[in-house]
Amino acid sequence: DIQMTQSPSAMSASVGDRVTITCRASQGVSNFLAWFQQKPGQVPKRLIYAVFTLDTGVPSRFSGSGSGTEFTLTISSLQPEDFATYYCLQHYSYPRTFGQGTKVEIK
Amino acid sequence: QVQLQESGPGLVKPSGTLSLTCTVSGGSISSSYWWTWVRQPPGKGLEWIGEIYHSGSSNYNPSLKSRVIISVDKSNNFFSLKVTSVTAADTAVYFCARGDIAVSAPADWGQGILVTVSS
Repeated sequence: DIQMTQSPSAMSASVGDRVTITCRASQGVSNFLAWFQQKPGQVPKRLIYAVFTLDTGVPSRFSGSGSGTEFTLTISSLQPEDFATYYCLQHYSYPRTFGQGTKVEIK
Repeated sequence: QVQLQESGPGLVKPSGTLSLTCTVSGGSISSSYWWTWVRQPPGKGLEWIGEIYHSGSSNYNPSLKSRVIISVDKSNNFFSLKVTSVTAADTAVYFCARGDIAVSAPADWGQGILVTVSS
């Protein structure tokens, strides 16, 4: 199985901050990397697929980058509605594996 | 707009079988998507269980493979999940979802159903 490790596991940030979350794969996943946002009690929402392609309706303050084994989700200016837990997912090989999640909390 | 809705018992006894159905509306289960199950134990992260294509082709997480069956019913437009020999560790919110054949990362999700394993 490909292990996906996110860092940090949790962070505190303020509205307007630039936030960066990293996801490292134990082996290469090509560009088969997606990011999800999940708010408490809600369904995961896909934000980005294929490393950097934003889903329809996702604000442009979200961006994805990386290749191979290291990937990044960046929120350029954190908004109140962005406080949530973020997960990466590799869909390069089976079984699909998620990162453990990064909780973004209000400072 | 496709909608997915999970249904099934919210309580299953230890050593029993967990059975859930995901009903698809607003779209055909015979379209080019992977129909997927994901679960999330309370307070924990997401775990991919497995997926099925309308042809019946399926992929499973080896950590569960011997206990899991995913099936599809094209006539009634739903797919199902069965997990046998459940324990408390199988207590989770179970989500059904779909990802298109090109980008299998699920874009559309059901609301999720909490299944508790307890006597």
